[in-house]
Amino acid sequence: DQQVKQNSPSLSVQEGRISILNCDYTNSMFDYFLWYKKYPAEGPTFLISISSIKDKNEDGRFTVFLNKSAKHLSLHIVPSQPGDSAVYFCAASVDRDDKIIFGKGTRLHILP
Amino acid sequence: EPEVTQTPSHQVTQMGQEVILRCVPISNHLYFYWYRQILGQKVEFLVSFYNNEISEKSEIFDDQFSVERPDGSNFTLKIRSTKLEDSAMYFCASSVRWPNSNQPQHFGDGTRLSIL
Repeated sequence: DQQVKQNSPSLSVQEGRISILNCDYTNSMFDYFLWYKKYPAEGPTFLISISSIKDKNEDGRFTVFLNKSAKHLSLHIVPSQPGDSAVYFCAASVDRDDKIIFGKGTRLHILP
Repeated sequence: EPEVTQTPSHQVTQMGQEVILRCVPISNHLYFYWYRQILGQKVEFLVSFYNNEISEKSEIFDDQFSVERPDGSNFTLKIRSTKLEDSAMYFCASSVRWPNSNQPQHFGDGTRLSIL
């Protein structure tokens, strides 16, 4: 039961260019969407979130876009930096303090 | 910045043995969670805990699992009789009750549980 889907297991992007990570979801009850970043041997680290009443949220180099009609969200990183190389998890919850449902993750490689 | 801390970082246990994974959530947080990630798979929710009781649990969280907040600072996950398939990375998380914070769940670095 994949309520949150990340169809690209990996992505390679040149340093300085834009990285776009995509995510689809199936549960229309989700009210809150998040992106977490994970380095090896560490726990997921919160990156950015968006509530279902918005279609865009920006924080520095990171922007998340939400298209509710398509049940799709994306994370844009611009410009991409070497330290951005990590696994990125798309996640969602029905309420802010509810359990988080994670996607399988996309491994982002930033190429020099 | 406050952190969720988990101990031990790696636990090796014989099948059938009991294991306790420990977590110290961020001090002013009220909601506590356990998740696990089997190698190569997604991070899965196990259980949430609020006001000294379980709020929600997944199908994975069967009678072999239990959680406890024994002393107001620690949050533990106990597996009574471990199975090979319990081998995974176990993550503890905590959060502040909305709407007091925009911050979602903060995760610890995990305990790698290896069942032999």
